[in-house]
Amino acid sequence: GEDVEQSLFLSVREGDSSVINCTYTDSSSTYLYWYKQEPGAGLQLLTYIFSNMDMKQDQRLTVLLNKKDKHLSLRIADTQTGDSAIYFCADNMLTFGGGTRLMVKP
Amino acid sequence: EAGVAQSPRYKIIEKRQSVAFWCNPISGHATLYWYQQILGQGPKLLIQFQNNGVVDDSQLPKDRFSAERLKGVDSTLKIQPAKLEDSAVYLCASSRARDGYTFGSGTRLTVV
Repeated sequence: GEDVEQSLFLSVREGDSSVINCTYTDSSSTYLYWYKQEPGAGLQLLTYIFSNMDMKQDQRLTVLLNKKDKHLSLRIADTQTGDSAIYFCADNMLTFGGGTRLMVKP
Repeated sequence: EAGVAQSPRYKIIEKRQSVAFWCNPISGHATLYWYQQILGQGPKLLIQFQNNGVVDDSQLPKDRFSAERLKGVDSTLKIQPAKLEDSAVYLCASSRARDGYTFGSGTRLTVV
């Protein structure tokens, strides 16, 4: 079946930029999503990108898509302690990665 | 707008018992998903509905899991009989279009 892979853990200092990476295998993916999950909560949609786009920016969030390498990244500018959570990428809402735990140190 | 409602919030049952989860999507959302999220993992799609029709149930263990969405609104997911490995959070999500998906808070199931 199709697969989505993410690194497990990322630690940054408050005010730095965070970059969370994701690779996927389904070449027919048309929408790719980033979700945030805080402890004990459901998933919150952060942003998404359509497959004909290379980049999408939304306030502090920048999504980059490299279709050739099937690589997706989420950059969070000026990372805050409130950004500490688990981040999931997903393709077409069908396959989710295992999640990247972001820890932001004051 | 109100969010996706799920109940119960928590459920503890013994193995071989039955359990049912309920989801009320956002009004007007035609697409509804059920996911299983095991601790430390990403959500795994169990079933996708479009209105009251099943679009994808390829990962639903049909020998013990069943789901329905009567009248294209509320949905229930049932497990009968439950196994220890079914312990997980069951998440429901809904959407009107592909640019906006909303998840409920989930039902945490513990099978002992």
